[in-house]
Amino acid sequence: NAGVTQTPKFQVLKTGQSMTLQCAQDMNHEYMSWYRQDPGMGLRLIHYSVGAGITDQGEVPNGYNVSRSTTEDFPLRLLSAAPSQTSVYFCASSYSNGLNTEAFFGQGTRLTVV
Amino acid sequence: GDSVTQMEGPVTLSEEAFLTINCTYTATGYPSLFWYVQYPGEGLQLLLKATKADDKGSNKGFEATYRKETTSFHLEKGSVQVSDSAVYFCALSPFYYGGSQGNLIFGKGTKLSVKP
Repeated sequence: NAGVTQTPKFQVLKTGQSMTLQCAQDMNHEYMSWYRQDPGMGLRLIHYSVGAGITDQGEVPNGYNVSRSTTEDFPLRLLSAAPSQTSVYFCASSYSNGLNTEAFFGQGTRLTVV
Repeated sequence: GDSVTQMEGPVTLSEEAFLTINCTYTATGYPSLFWYVQYPGEGLQLLLKATKADDKGSNKGFEATYRKETTSFHLEKGSVQVSDSAVYFCALSPFYYGGSQGNLIFGKGTKLSVKP
């Protein structure tokens, strides 16, 4: 039972480089989200999706792009990496049955931009 | 907008001590409330949740009660163990009339260290 799988686990980028963080879930959840975790800041929402073909911005979307072509996959793209994007990135998938909702998280990607 | 405030850490306790981590929230409507735990080097795991006022979530000896009158969801455990050392996050799922959109709003996290 894989759950939410993120790749890579670690990445070092040079300023200006681009890359894609991969996220896949096998639970057939409608909702998927990307968060970044910074010391003393908790987790902040970058982008989220309520279904295939539908995405929206969260609290800190600048510098990131997303798309959702399938239910399973929700990649996060950094078009031109900056040192301020050094962080730990978590992908989550969620279900919702009325009031009952729960998010499942991947193991995270630790990104360093030099 | 909606927000979550939780007590700042780090919190250091001796084994078998009583734990309280305070969490208060600001939200419209009827959010669902959660506590997530993050062990070193790992992702977040759901610890417990409550979906409506006066609900009590519980798991692994931890408890939290959804108090709408005080907009609080404090985490408690009667006797902590060394294995409880982790970062604890309070979170809410905003209320939407059409149902949840799957995103969460987190507090900043509280690091707990339990000494033998």
